[in-house]
Amino acid sequence: AQTVTQSQPEMSVQEAETVTLSCTYDTSESNYYLFWYKQPPSRQMILVIRQEAYKQQNATENRFSVNFQKAAKSFSLKISDSQLGDTAMYFCAFMKLYFGNEKLTFGTGTRLTIIP
Amino acid sequence: SQTIHQWPATLVQPVGSPLSLECTVEGTSNPNLYWYRQAAGRGLQLLFYSVGIGQISSEVPQNLSASRPQDRQFILSSKKLLLSDSGFYLCAWKSPGGTYEQYFGPGTRLTVT
Repeated sequence: AQTVTQSQPEMSVQEAETVTLSCTYDTSESNYYLFWYKQPPSRQMILVIRQEAYKQQNATENRFSVNFQKAAKSFSLKISDSQLGDTAMYFCAFMKLYFGNEKLTFGTGTRLTIIP
Repeated sequence: SQTIHQWPATLVQPVGSPLSLECTVEGTSNPNLYWYRQAAGRGLQLLFYSVGIGQISSEVPQNLSASRPQDRQFILSSKKLLLSDSGFYLCAWKSPGGTYEQYFGPGTRLTVT
C-alpha cells in the first residue's frame, strides 16, 4: 500500500515571500502520478499541480512549481510571490495508475497561512 | 466546460436516520466517479468509485453504500447513520481516458447527532 507523509502540519509566511511545502511518499510502483491540491476555507479541493513519475522535468504552473526527486520519493511544492489567497490547507496526493481505480492517496495536509 | 454539483451543502441528522447525498456532473460523458470522506483535521479517504452505470467498487467496509443510477449521477446512502459517519463528503470525477486529474465538487458537511 502507498503512504503519503506531510511532516509540516502548519506553516506561515509573509506575503510576497516564497514558501516550500514538503511531501514524501512510499511506493513500490514505478509508474504513478503525484498531485498537490489546495483546500481553502470554502473546503472545495482545487487541483494546483500534477507531476508524472516518468517525467524528469519538474512541473510548473505560474507561481507554483514542484521539486520531484523520484529516487528519494520526495515531492515538494514551492509557492513564489505568495498571496493572501494562497492561505489554505495543502494536500499532497499519490495516484497509482490502474485502470478504473485511479485512486488518490492523500497526506494529512499542511495548513499554510499567508501573513499580510 | 465541466461542472460538478453536490447537495445538500450541509446536513444534520440524528443517529439511526437514513442518508442520501447526491452528486451530478455536467459537460462530460461516462466519467469515473468517486466518493471521499474527510474527517476533521485529516486528509481524504476514498469510500467508493464507479467506472460506469451500476458499477460500484467499495474501498472501505462500513454502513454506507453508493449507487450510480445514471451516467452522471452518483449517490451515497446509508440506512442507519452512526456518530462516526460525521464528516465532510466530497464527490470527484475524472475523464474516462487520457489525463488522470480528479476534480472535486463543493462537498457536503454531515453532522450526525
